[in-house]
Amino acid sequence: AQSVSQHNHHVILSEAASLELGCNYSYGGTVNLFWYVQYPGQHLQLLLKYFSGDPLVKGIKGFEAEFIKSKFSFNLRKPSVQWSDTAEYFCAVRDTGRRALTFGSGTRLQVQP
Amino acid sequence: SAVISQKPSRDICQRGTSLTIQCQVDSQVTMMFWYRQQPGQSLTLIATANQGSEATYESGFVIDKFPISRPNLTFSTLTVSNMSPEDSSIYLCSIPAGPPGELFFGEGSRLTVL
Repeated sequence: AQSVSQHNHHVILSEAASLELGCNYSYGGTVNLFWYVQYPGQHLQLLLKYFSGDPLVKGIKGFEAEFIKSKFSFNLRKPSVQWSDTAEYFCAVRDTGRRALTFGSGTRLQVQP
Repeated sequence: SAVISQKPSRDICQRGTSLTIQCQVDSQVTMMFWYRQQPGQSLTLIATANQGSEATYESGFVIDKFPISRPNLTFSTLTVSNMSPEDSSIYLCSIPAGPPGELFFGEGSRLTVL
């Protein structure tokens, strides 16, 4: 069965610092990849996604992620974080043929002003 | 985007009792998903609820413990039966957003079992 690993459980950064959150998945077949974000007091929402094509995908609020097939990775990046990026970030994978997602355990990002 | 309402938003329950969580969507959807998020852990899919057929449960989850109803295309319930403290979690309802893998989520139902 598919599994998703997020190695950073809690990250604390100062504003303007660069961010990279790791995500690795286990199944080597065709997959779709996602990052979801949950801001404090809000529901989960889609940040960005990869289906095919350019492995560097851009999402909302200046986030981007790079799919590296050989490493089974889909790391999330942002060059300069803001206090408003404080949230929990979840990586998720969809195996083709399934509608549901497999999620990682999440990374709590705390950005200090 | 869709609006997904869950009730209750939170509850505190006694061991051995059962609780039913409701999920109401503002549009008709074929599939609804129920996820569980235990403290400090990932979201785990419990089951997929299709209208007009029995729910499909993931490995480790059984109908006797988590019975699901799906009476129409906008509503579903998840019951957590014979609760124990290990069932303390956030239970999330979600629906497909369109492209495969994109999901809309409800705000979750936070359940604490004493």
